[in-house]
Amino acid sequence: EIVMTQSPATLSVSPGERATLSCRASQSVSSNLAWYQQKPGQAPRLLIYGASTRATGIPARFSGSGSGTEFTLTISSLQSEDFAVYYCQQYNNWPPLFTFGPGTKVDIK
Amino acid sequence: QLQLQESGPGLVKPSETLSLTCTVSGGSISSSSYYWGWIRQPPGKGLEWIGSIYYSGSTYYNPSLKSRVTISVDTSKNQFSLKLSSVTAADTAVYYCARLWMVPSTGRAEYFQHWGQGTLVTVSS
Repeated sequence: EIVMTQSPATLSVSPGERATLSCRASQSVSSNLAWYQQKPGQAPRLLIYGASTRATGIPARFSGSGSGTEFTLTISSLQSEDFAVYYCQQYNNWPPLFTFGPGTKVDIK
Repeated sequence: QLQLQESGPGLVKPSETLSLTCTVSGGSISSSSYYWGWIRQPPGKGLEWIGSIYYSGSTYYNPSLKSRVTISVDTSKNQFSLKLSSVTAADTAVYYCARLWMVPSTGRAEYFQHWGQGTLVTVSS
């Protein structure tokens, strides 16, 4: 099983500032990585797939990068609606064994 | 617009079987372009993939749950279902259904494009 880790566990950021979230895979997943945003009481929402492609309707302030085992989600200028928990998910295996990271909570500084 | 809606009992007794259904509207579950899946999230914790199904009935399960999980599809009702047997308190979670993107050239499911709102299932006597 590919184990996903995320850092930091919590990131305190002021509105308008840049946030950088990290995700690491225990073995290479190529670019087979997605990012999700989850707000309290809501389902996760797909932000990024293929490590760097924004999903439909996702603002340009969200960007993803990386390949292999190291990935980054950057939010260029945090808006109030961006305070949430962010998860990464790998989909490199077939037959599938999808695994998620433990999440990074972005809260208001 | 695609919508997924989970339904089923919110309370299940230990050792019994948890049964949930996901009803898909605004799209066909028989589309050859997607897989459908279940994910769960214990209160205050992270996400765990349970399993996925194609409209033809092909299924894939998380090995950690495989012995207890059955996912099925009913194309006539545009629904797919989850059964999890021999539940314990550790199975208490919000259960989400979702649509997965499938790569046309490889037939591999990848990421979870659309999610239902989720339903909390508590295992307790």
